[in-house]
Amino acid sequence: SQQGEEDPQALSIQEGENATMNCSYKTSINNLQWYRQNSGRGLVHLILIRSNEREKHSGRLRVTLDTSKKSSSLLITASRAADTASYFCATGRGNNNDMRFGAGTRLTVKP
Amino acid sequence: GAVVSQHPSWVICKSGTSVKIECRSLDFQATTMFWYRQFPKQSLMLMATSNEGSKATYEQGVEKDKFLINHASLTLSTLTVTSAHPEDSSFYICSAREPGGNYGYTFGSGTRLTVV
Repeated sequence: SQQGEEDPQALSIQEGENATMNCSYKTSINNLQWYRQNSGRGLVHLILIRSNEREKHSGRLRVTLDTSKKSSSLLITASRAADTASYFCATGRGNNNDMRFGAGTRLTVKP
Repeated sequence: GAVVSQHPSWVICKSGTSVKIECRSLDFQATTMFWYRQFPKQSLMLMATSNEGSKATYEQGVEKDKFLINHASLTLSTLTVTSAHPEDSSFYICSAREPGGNYGYTFGSGTRLTVV
């Protein structure tokens, strides 16, 4: 079953603007990960944040995690047309850390 | 970094036939691999957890007799879609985690299955 919800479902912005995507989940987690998927392709791991971390940066990416609210956000700064893709959050649970994915946000960055 | 190879990348088969999809960890050993299914413009749904040397663990609602999983070695898991029907047409993706890694998973490039 799906773990969480993401919003917005679709986001369209101009190149250079920042894009913020949110993810909520329902159960306790080991960690939360964000992935990117270009149309019809496999997933690319972007960033992982552990349950005891609150914020993490990687290049133009900034991820926050609020375990009290069971939510996370992904911020892409200074967006580029090449950032156009679907972005998914996934929560890792249990001993196997099996991952459940959110519904995803389809991001379109217009040049 | 860790690489997961998935084969084939696409396959077309006739209704009633079986199709095997392979997922290999190329430069690491994976005791656990995961199989997902993704319909167009939807998210990934976990189908099953594949454990090396033991039976796979299937998610609720996934028919284990239809989606056969074999994890015979530490670098290979296979998913066989048996007696395929057009509604089985989907994008199937596997993933694996490198032991000792930071819990980040590496995904295969996916297999587009079309049943005609």
